[in-house]
Amino acid sequence: KQEVTQIPAALSVPEGENLVLNCSFTDSAIYNLQWFRQDPGKGLTSLLLIQSSQREQTSGRLNASLDKSSGRSTLYIAASQPGDSATYLCAVIAGAGSYQLTFGKGTKLSVIP
Amino acid sequence: NAGVMQNPRHLVRRRGQEARLRCSPMKGHSHVYWYRQLPEEGLKFMVYLQKENIIDESGMPKERFSAEFPKEGPSILRIQQVVRGDSAAYFCASSQQGRETQYFGPGTRLLVL
Repeated sequence: KQEVTQIPAALSVPEGENLVLNCSFTDSAIYNLQWFRQDPGKGLTSLLLIQSSQREQTSGRLNASLDKSSGRSTLYIAASQPGDSATYLCAVIAGAGSYQLTFGKGTKLSVIP
Repeated sequence: NAGVMQNPRHLVRRRGQEARLRCSPMKGHSHVYWYRQLPEEGLKFMVYLQKENIIDESGMPKERFSAEFPKEGPSILRIQQVVRGDSAAYFCASSQQGRETQYFGPGTRLLVL
């Protein structure tokens, strides 16, 4: 059974700092991995999707890497801003014909002005 | 292009009543997924549907819960005889094809009194 873990559960950084969020998964046979952002009381916004054959994806100040063999992904946020404050969720779709996303519990990020 | 729409955004029901949650996928998307987020828990997959077909309902409780995605109209998640433990945020997502990026709606927050 696939399990996704995100560490740390919460993180507080001063504005302008670069930071890394971690995600690990127990079964390396994944199809793809997605990073989402969730604001309080809101839905999820897809940030980046990495296919299992890819090593990384970039969008603006965000860079996500994937090391499938070790079961790890990182989300790097450059030059953090107060507007980046949110909960960041990592989710994987398993291989072998699965369609469902398996989520971690998220990292709650606070960027202090 | 409107995103995934869910209604109602908030729903209050008394124990024993029925709850109906609606989801309209993004235009051009024929794949719909339902997830549940219990308080202090991560999102959990419930069911995956295509038009008029349930593809995977492995995450759906065996009793009281049902889902449909008719040829015309929104997808419906129906909970009969609600109990307090059903209180949660229910999110719908859609994709153009299976296993592609899932786009999430704002969620329906169900409170059972």
